[in-house]
Amino acid sequence: AQSVTQPDIHITVSEGASLELRCNYSYGATPYLFWYVQSPGQGLQLLLKYFSGDTLVQGIKGFEAEFKRSQSSFNLRKPSVHWSDAAEYFCAVAPIHGSSNTGKLIFGQGTTLQVKP
Amino acid sequence: DVKVTQSSRYLVKRTGEKVFLECVQDMDHENMFWYRQDPGLGLRLIYFSYDVKMKEKGDIPEGYSVSREKKERFSLILESASTNQTSMYLCASSFRGARKNIQYFGAGTRLSVL
Repeated sequence: AQSVTQPDIHITVSEGASLELRCNYSYGATPYLFWYVQSPGQGLQLLLKYFSGDTLVQGIKGFEAEFKRSQSSFNLRKPSVHWSDAAEYFCAVAPIHGSSNTGKLIFGQGTTLQVKP
Repeated sequence: DVKVTQSSRYLVKRTGEKVFLECVQDMDHENMFWYRQDPGLGLRLIYFSYDVKMKEKGDIPEGYSVSREKKERFSLILESASTNQTSMYLCASSFRGARKNIQYFGAGTRLSVL
């Protein structure tokens, strides 16, 4: 079965430091990949997505992610974290079977980011 | 902007009550989803609907049912609420077709069952 793993449940970084959140997926083909962010008390907001093409994708709020097929990874990065980036981050995969795409997403467990002043 | 509205941010119910969680989207999306979010477990799909009156079970449908009588509205029903259904519930919607996997989320309903 397809799965998504976010190995880090909780990460703390200092404001201005760089950030990398890890995401690994288990899937035979190349899935569609997403990162969402959930600020406290809010729903999820799409940060970026990868469907095909350039393996380095840019998103909103200065985030980027790199798809590495050999490592089955889609890690999220930001060069300089701001205090407002404190939130929970979810990696998700849309399993595509041939031409079949139900529109469903499989989510990882989430990583909570804390930003120290 | 896409808007997905969940009728309640917080709900407190008693064990055995019938509970309705409502979700409305204003973007004419074909697909709608109900998730449950619990710490350490991420989001788990309860049910989804790809058209009016159409529904499919997700990964954890037990104890829940859904209703989609109109395209814009998707309701989650707890027939007889139990304490293990205390959780955050998130509704999402998306287009069918090439953009179908981009889901837009509501703010969530935090349900406590006492």
